[in-house]
Amino acid sequence: GQQLNQSPQSMFIQEGEDVSMNCTSSSIFNTWLWYKQDPGEGPVLLIALYKAGELTSNGRLTAQFGITRKDSFLNISASIPSDVGIYFCAGMNYGGSQGNLIFGKGTKLSVKP
Amino acid sequence: GAVVSQHPSWVICKSGTSVKIECRSLDFQATTMFWYRQFPKQSLMLMATSNEGSKATYEQGVEKDKFLINHASLTLSTLTVTSAHPEDSSFYICSARHHMNEKLFFGSGTQLSVL
Repeated sequence: GQQLNQSPQSMFIQEGEDVSMNCTSSSIFNTWLWYKQDPGEGPVLLIALYKAGELTSNGRLTAQFGITRKDSFLNISASIPSDVGIYFCAGMNYGGSQGNLIFGKGTKLSVKP
Repeated sequence: GAVVSQHPSWVICKSGTSVKIECRSLDFQATTMFWYRQFPKQSLMLMATSNEGSKATYEQGVEKDKFLINHASLTLSTLTVTSAHPEDSSFYICSARHHMNEKLFFGSGTQLSVL
């Protein structure tokens, strides 16, 4: 089945630094999604990407859908302490009755004030 | 924005008892809901897809008699962990697919601890 490789697994950065994480897939997706999960909570959608090459921003967050449809990256600029959490990429192919997500293993972000 | 309410947030139960978790879409209809399981420091693993008015579709390795799913209305799906055992302890998360824009919205999760 499809697998997602998300990297890095964890990051320790200083407040104000920029962050970059990415996901690659063994096969193509037609939708890429980025979520953030705080401890004890469900994931919250940050950015959704629907077209190859698409570059979308949400405040300090920017994500891109790779041209090959097999990868995506998420950048966070000027990190702040509340950015701490686990970030998950997820791929999905619409069509059929399920459209279920396949999640990456997550990137744990720690921000030092 | 679209809200998915998941209840309870946490539950502690004795081994052998059954636990029901509810997932409600509060301001939209969801013909499809999904149930995930997440172990500590792990990613979300899809357990089953719940379709309103029909039987759930379970992922490989998930026991359908162990994890009963009912999706009786367009806004409610329930997951019942039957005869729970300590190895069932986990964080369970639901998501609901918006019937208009097909976007997925997640509940806040349920932490199940089986003693």
